[in-house]
Amino acid sequence: EDQVTQSPEALRLQEGESSSLNCSYTVSGLRGLFWYRQDPGKGPEFLFTLYSAGEEKEKERLKATLTKKESFLHITAPKPEDSATYLCAVQAQDTGRRALTFGSGTRLQVQP
Amino acid sequence: NAGVTQTPKFQVLKTGQSMTLQCAQDMNHEYMSWYRQDPGMGLRLIHYSVGAGITDQGEVPNGYNVSRSTTEDFPLRLLSAAPSQTSVYFCASSALAGVRYYEQYFGPGTRLTVT
Repeated sequence: EDQVTQSPEALRLQEGESSSLNCSYTVSGLRGLFWYRQDPGKGPEFLFTLYSAGEEKEKERLKATLTKKESFLHITAPKPEDSATYLCAVQAQDTGRRALTFGSGTRLQVQP
Repeated sequence: NAGVTQTPKFQVLKTGQSMTLQCAQDMNHEYMSWYRQDPGMGLRLIHYSVGAGITDQGEVPNGYNVSRSTTEDFPLRLLSAAPSQTSVYFCASSALAGVRYYEQYFGPGTRLTVT
């Protein structure tokens, strides 16, 4: 059974204080790992897809990396508008469902 | 493009009532799916469709029905609502790309309360 565990559950940072969010996964053959951002009362917003170990993707202050067991979302010099819940999800190669298995998310609060 | 739209945004039902959650997308995506989001459990797949006339079950299908008569629409029906179906429901869509996977785009969600 595919599993995704995100840590920490919640993170409070000061503006400009860089940090990383962790996503550990077990999957029967990884097709892709996905990062989403979710604001309160909204649907998840796509950020990145990573397909293989060693791959990195960047977008503004966010950088996602992938190993064979985990992914990190690095946040450099965060701003208050980066406050949100960040979701990690994986898709296994052997499923025709193309279903995403999600973690429970990390709630990030960036204080000015 | 409106992307993925869902109606209603909020709904309160009594136990035993039935209703349909609407989902539409204007991106000509073949793949559409329904997830529910519960506190501490992440999003879980209910049903999915890879094209008009083709649907299948996800992880938590019991108590829900779907059909797909057009590419654009993918309604979710609750047959006889139960308090355990209180949740936030998200519809998502993506293109199908063979081996590689295209990102799923999510709608704004429907918050359902069953009393």
